[in-house]
Amino acid sequence: KQEVTQIPAALSVPEGENLVLNCSFTDSAIYNLQWFRQDPGKGLTSLLLIQSSQREQTSGRLNASLDKSSGRSTLYIAASQPGDSATYLCAAITQGAQKLVFGQGTRLTINP
Amino acid sequence: DTEVTQTPKHLVMGMTNKKSLKCEQHMGHRAMYWYKQKAKKPPELMFVYSYEKLSINESVPSRFSPECPNSSLLNLHLHALQPEDSALYLCASRTTTGPPSGYTFGSGTRLTVV
Repeated sequence: KQEVTQIPAALSVPEGENLVLNCSFTDSAIYNLQWFRQDPGKGLTSLLLIQSSQREQTSGRLNASLDKSSGRSTLYIAASQPGDSATYLCAAITQGAQKLVFGQGTRLTINP
Repeated sequence: DTEVTQTPKHLVMGMTNKKSLKCEQHMGHRAMYWYKQKAKKPPELMFVYSYEKLSINESVPSRFSPECPNSSLLNLHLHALQPEDSALYLCASRTTTGPPSGYTFGSGTRLTVV
């Protein structure tokens, strides 16, 4: 059974810093891994999707990496801004499964 | 169109009411999902529809009844809910053909049961 863990649960940093959010998963037979952002009371916005054959994906100031052998993914945010404040969720879908398994999320606060 | 649209955005219902949540997408995705999310928790899977057929029911109480009338629409019928069913209900869709794709989520329906 796939389990996904995110560390830390909460993070508060000053504006302008580069930061890394961590995600680990137990089943390396991963189909793909997706990072989402969720603002309070809102739906999930997809940030990056990494397919099993890929090592990383980039979109603007965001870079996500995937290491299946170690069961880890990281989301790197460069030059953080107050508008980046949100909860970030990683989710994995295992080969053959139809379910998206979520981590508990990291609540990020960027202080002006 | 690259969106999943959910209506209504907010719903308040009594425990004896019957109401429905609606979800619509026009991306040609043939897998559609209902998730329930409580405050400060990740979404929990409720139902999966694949090609308009129910493929996964995560032991959800019968007071929640899903329906997929066509490839673009997904409904969730609610009846005799309890206050603990108050949550954000999220719909998602995903393609089932071609290169692996991610999930697209709607903005959710905030349900309050009184």
